[in-house]
Amino acid sequence: GESVGLHLPTLSVQEGDNSIINCAYSNSASDYFIWYKQESGKGPQFIIDIRSNMDKRQGQRVTVLLNKTVKHLSLQIAATQPGDSAVYFCAEKSPMFSGGYNKLIFGAGTRLAVHP
Amino acid sequence: DARVTQTPRDKVTEMGQEVTMRCQPILGHNTVFWYRQTMMQGLELLAYFRNRAPLDDSGMPKDRFSAEMPDATLATLKIQPSEPRDSAVYFCASGPSEQGTQYFGPGTRLLVL
Repeated sequence: GESVGLHLPTLSVQEGDNSIINCAYSNSASDYFIWYKQESGKGPQFIIDIRSNMDKRQGQRVTVLLNKTVKHLSLQIAATQPGDSAVYFCAEKSPMFSGGYNKLIFGAGTRLAVHP
Repeated sequence: DARVTQTPRDKVTEMGQEVTMRCQPILGHNTVFWYRQTMMQGLELLAYFRNRAPLDDSGMPKDRFSAEMPDATLATLKIQPSEPRDSAVYFCASGPSEQGTQYFGPGTRLLVL
C-alpha cells in the first residue's frame, strides 16, 4: 500500500560491515523495482533498479535481490560507510494502476544508522 | 550532471496566503510528478503529468491545490489558500518515459503558520 512513515524501522550497523535492508512488496504483477536513498534534508536519490525478469543486479557496493515467489526485495550494501546513513525506500511499479498509468508505490522506508 | 531543480527550497507563510512551488524537470524527461512527504503519511503522490498533460491529480485536494506545466521546462504546484495542515516537504520528480524511473528534486520545505 501507500507509504506510511511515523516510526521507521532502524538498522544499526558498524562501519565496514555489510548491510541488508529488506522490503516486502504488495503486487505480484509489479514488473520494475527501485531502491532510493534519502539523506536528511534531501530528496530521494536513485540507487539501483531491477526488472522482474531478473533475480539479482549489482552496482557499486550495492546489490539488489528480487524473490518474486515471496514478493521480497533486498538491498545489500557492502563495507557500509558513515555516508550510507540515510532512510532507504523501495518502490514497485505496478502496471496499469488506477488512472491507466504506471505508478510507483513506495515502501515505508528503513533508517540505516552506521556507527564508527 | 542533469538534475531536477525546485524553488524555493524553504517557504514560511501564514495561513490563507497563496504558495507557488516551481520545478524544472530534467531536460528530455516527459513525465513529471509532484509528491508530498510528511512524517505521518510518508510520500504521497499528488499529481502526474505526461508530455505536459495532467493525467492524474487524484491525490490533490481539489479545492485548494492546482498543478500545471506551462512549458516543458516548468512545472508549478500552487496552494490557495494555504492551511497549517499543508506543512510538509513537496518533491518534484521527473522521468524519461513510462519505464518507471523517477528522479527527485531537493524538495520545497513548506511551513504554514
